[in-house]
Amino acid sequence: EVQLVESGGGLVQPGGSLRLSCAASGFTFSSYWMHWVRQAPGKGLVWVSRINSDGSSTSYADSVKGRFTISRDNAKNTLYLQMNSLRAEDTAVYYCARVGMVRGPIDYWGQGTLVTVSS
Amino acid sequence: DIVMTQSPDSLAVSLGERATINCKSSQSVLYSSNNKNYLAWYQQKPGQPPKLLIYWASTRESGVPDRFSGSGSGTDFTLTISSLQAEDVAVYYCQQYYSTHSGAFGQGTKVEIK
Repeated sequence: EVQLVESGGGLVQPGGSLRLSCAASGFTFSSYWMHWVRQAPGKGLVWVSRINSDGSSTSYADSVKGRFTISRDNAKNTLYLQMNSLRAEDTAVYYCARVGMVRGPIDYWGQGTLVTVSS
Repeated sequence: DIVMTQSPDSLAVSLGERATINCKSSQSVLYSSNNKNYLAWYQQKPGQPPKLLIYWASTRESGVPDRFSGSGSGTDFTLTISSLQAEDVAVYYCQQYYSTHSGAFGQGTKVEIK
């Protein structure tokens, strides 16, 4: 069974940093592209970042470019999102998500971890 | 960047009636080399992560009831629920995966029971 379990969320002050993790199991993690998607309270889904299967290629939404870094450790079956210079508008549930086939859609999502940026 | 726009923002439909949600992309998501539309639909219920319903614009994910169907090509797409059930109350999102450098979602459409 495919499982994606996010962790690392919490309360952080504006300007602070946080690193999210996503532990993957039930599939060959190193073969799949992965995404981070966020959802502010009561709002819609917003794509944040994606990484290819070996970590050599990444992309970011303009709103997080230069502040967030996506990475992965295929030996540990774990996806990361390093978030720096956090702003109030980064407050959201952050989901990690798997791309099911090459250049395909997201087919599995984690349950999400809440990041709150507030003083 | 590709921008996805859904309409309407919300709709209320009687049980057993048809619900139709539209999604428009700012540029074509049809890949000419394989004639596939890189467009997916997701369902999100309160307190849950999204669930994949439809991909390649019209292919139902395994286990999705056949009352859900997707259509369209290029820039204009539709998700249809042929006979609304109580368990279909949710927010529905379209997403393009044509661009490997972004993954824009539509703003979502909330479906309720009339």
